[in-house]
Amino acid sequence: NAGVTQTPKFQVLKTGQSMTLQCAQDMNHNSMYWYRQDPGMGLRLIYYSASEGTTDKGEVPNGYNVSRLNKREFSLRLESAAPSQTSVYFCASSEVFVGTGFNEQYFGPGTRLTVT
Amino acid sequence: TQLLEQSPQFLSIQEGENLTVYCNSSSVFSSLQWYRQEPGEGPVLLVTVVTGGEVKKLKRLTFQFGDARKDSSLHITAAQPGDTGLYLCAGESRTGRRALTFGSGTRLQVQP
Repeated sequence: NAGVTQTPKFQVLKTGQSMTLQCAQDMNHNSMYWYRQDPGMGLRLIYYSASEGTTDKGEVPNGYNVSRLNKREFSLRLESAAPSQTSVYFCASSEVFVGTGFNEQYFGPGTRLTVT
Repeated sequence: TQLLEQSPQFLSIQEGENLTVYCNSSSVFSSLQWYRQEPGEGPVLLVTVVTGGEVKKLKRLTFQFGDARKDSSLHITAAQPGDTGLYLCAGESRTGRRALTFGSGTRLQVQP
């Protein structure tokens, strides 16, 4: 049971290049999330997918696109990378139960991205 | 926009000392979670508090949710080097999207 896995672990891009960050979970969770973490700013939500087939913008979606490929996989794409996108990116998943359930999230190990 | 402010931002203490970390907001949350993050890893959930005034204990860690469900605290008794890490609080609102709002974190270093 691997939990949430992310690839790659590290990446260096030049300004204008594109790339896709991959995320997969094996916990059969419905909801998946992409965050970025910058020093002193905690975690900020980029996009999320409440269930398979749906995606919604979070707090900082500009410059990113997402695809919920199936229930297990949720990818994040940078079409034209910019230095401001240098950050650590985390994928998370959760099973949000109706009613009294809580959005307890399980995180992957992160992708450290540098854009030069 | 809901905001969560954590204090202090940094804390460096000696092994055996006690400490308290605070998480404050002007918004009401349906639940509040605490996560710990170690260098190079993703956050790991420690606890979820739900009811105003609720207190939960996890070994030497005590978590409290404020009566009005706008704030929370984490108290560590007799800190150990293994407690070193970034502590994040996250609030959940039942209105709108079921996403979490994270605080900026408290970085704790416990010196042996």
